[in-house]
Amino acid sequence: EVQLIESGGGLVTPGGSLRLSCSATGFNFSAYNMNWVRQAPGKGLEWVSSIDPSGDYVFFADSMRARFTMSRDNTKNSLFLQMNSLSADDTAVYYCARVEITLIRGFITAPHLDHWGQGTLVAVSS
Amino acid sequence: DIHLTQSPSFLSASVGDRVTITCRASQVIASYLAWYHQKPGKAPKLLIYGASTLQSGVPSRFSGSGSGTDFTLTISSLQPEDFATYYCQQFSGYPYSFGQGTQLEIK
Repeated sequence: EVQLIESGGGLVTPGGSLRLSCSATGFNFSAYNMNWVRQAPGKGLEWVSSIDPSGDYVFFADSMRARFTMSRDNTKNSLFLQMNSLSADDTAVYYCARVEITLIRGFITAPHLDHWGQGTLVAVSS
Repeated sequence: DIHLTQSPSFLSASVGDRVTITCRASQVIASYLAWYHQKPGKAPKLLIYGASTLQSGVPSRFSGSGSGTDFTLTISSLQPEDFATYYCQQFSGYPYSFGQGTQLEIK
């Protein structure tokens, strides 16, 4: 069974830093792209970042690129999100999600987030 | 960046109704679109990918269609467990943006 478990959330003061982790079990972690998605209280989903299986290629939403770092340790089946210079706008539940890529209609690759963790809450407040 | 606009933002319907949610992309995204729903306090759940392929285990009352810029999610006969918020997401290019969501409520 695929499981993704986030940890590391909590209360942090503005300007502070936090490192989130996502532990993956039940699948070959080193073969999959992984994503972070966040959701502010009462708001919609916001895509944060993506990392390729090797960890060499990382993509970020514009608003987070300068402050956040995404990495992975395939030997420990773990994903990380280092968040710096946090502000109240970063208050959200942060989800890690697996990217599955399925071939459809014979030749079209269709990425999708097929498994999600339960989320970890990051609260930025003084 | 690719912007996704869902409509309506709020939808009130009854058990047994047929409902349709639309998602419009700001540029052509072929079939690189997925649909999810989310219940309060829970993680999103994948329903449809590749615009029209039903995820394994998802009931057949859910269907997706469209390509290019205009997409629809249809629920053929609403069940009590379908009342949730629905999101589309595009995978044509980074950032992998989401629509703003459609909240489906019981009438």
